Amino acid sequence: KQEVTQIPAALSVPEGENLVLNCSFTDSAIYNLQWFRQDPGKGLTSLLLIQSSQREQTSGRLNASLDKSSGRSTLYIAASQPGDSATYLCALYGNKLVFGAGTILRVKS
Amino acid sequence: DAGVIQSPRHEVTEMGQEVTLRCKPISGHDYLFWYRQTMMRGLELLIYFNNNVPIDDSGMPEDRFSAKMPNASFSTLKIQPSEPRDSAVYFCASSLRGSQETQYFGPGTRLLVL
Repeated sequence: KQEVTQIPAALSVPEGENLVLNCSFTDSAIYNLQWFRQDPGKGLTSLLLIQSSQREQTSGRLNASLDKSSGRSTLYIAASQPGDSATYLCALYGNKLVFGAGTILRVKS
Repeated sequence: DAGVIQSPRHEVTEMGQEVTLRCKPISGHDYLFWYRQTMMRGLELLIYFNNNVPIDDSGMPEDRFSAKMPNASFSTLKIQPSEPRDSAVYFCASSLRGSQETQYFGPGTRLLVL
């Protein structure tokens, strides 16, 4: 059974800092890995999708990496802004989509 | 496209009542998923459909839960009878080709069972 762990559970940083969110998983037999953002009381917004054959994906200030051999993915956010404050979820596509518990990010102005 | 549409957005009901949640997937998407999100368990897949046929319902917690997809543009998740522990946010998602492809989520239905 796939287990997904996200560290840290919560993170508070001052505006402008670069930060890294971590996601680890137990079963490397995955198809894709996706990072989502969830704002309070809202649904999930897709940020980046990394296919199993890829090592990383970039979109603007976001960069996500995938290392299947070690069962890890990281989401790097450059020059963080207060608008980045949200919960970030990683999800793994295997036979079904399995989510981590998320990292609650607060960027202070 | 308007994205995945869910209704109602909020539902408050009393224990024992029937609850019906509704979802309209993105047009042309062949897969539809129902998820439940709670503080204790996070996001869990309940059931998913391919071309209106239920494929995997192993996440449905109990017989009190049932889901249908009568056509490609509409699905329902029903809880009968509802219990306080069913209180959660229920999300519907759809994808174009498969359960391994990007899923697009609706805004969710926030259910409170008193």
